Amino acid sequence: AQTVTQSQPEMSVQEAETVTLSCTYDTSENNYYLFWYKQPPSRQMILVIRQEAYKQQNATENRFSVNFQKAAKSFSLKISDSQLGDTAMYFCAFSKAAGNKLTFGGGTRVLVKP
Amino acid sequence: GAVVSQHPSWVICKSGTSVKIECRSLDFQATTMFWYRQFPKQSLMLMATSNEGSKATYEQGVEKDKFLINHASLTLSTLTVTSAHPEDSSFYICSARGPWVLGAGSYEQYFGPGTRLTVT
Repeated sequence: AQTVTQSQPEMSVQEAETVTLSCTYDTSENNYYLFWYKQPPSRQMILVIRQEAYKQQNATENRFSVNFQKAAKSFSLKISDSQLGDTAMYFCAFSKAAGNKLTFGGGTRVLVKP
Repeated sequence: GAVVSQHPSWVICKSGTSVKIECRSLDFQATTMFWYRQFPKQSLMLMATSNEGSKATYEQGVEKDKFLINHASLTLSTLTVTSAHPEDSSFYICSARGPWVLGAGSYEQYFGPGTRLTVT
């Protein structure tokens, strides 16, 4: 079974600064997908970024980028130029295949301060 | 983009009664949907995978007789919490596997807005 671990329960960052969220996972699969989801106070899950394990290049989406270290089974999220709207819970998630069931980490609460 | 709705968004029921939660894909067909449960300030835990026209696949530890899942059409899956008790109070979220996305070379998964269940 896969496990996903987020070691930082809560992080705060000043507006316009950068914050990095950690995620480690455990799997015996060679091909898989990793995701970062944002859950704002509305509780609607929003896909932030995803990474296919077979791709060596780290995914980026505007201010969001990941550092994917397959050998270390590490998948961190960097939020650059933090905005107040980035305040939310962030979940790291694992899936064996695209569109398949997700295994979530425990989440990291991010608070962006003005 | 693809939209998934859930109904109701919030329901209060008395202990011992049953409550049904609907999950609909509004603008695409979803042969596979997933049901998650989220306790306050906790993560999402997968309860079951719902496949259109077949029985749901439940995760270990989830009581299939208590959490009945029906995926009778390509756009609707329902979760019925039978004989609800206060410990069933939680936030229930569904997601649906969308169509293959050529640009991404992958399926996308779309989440509903969730249903808050309170059992008194």
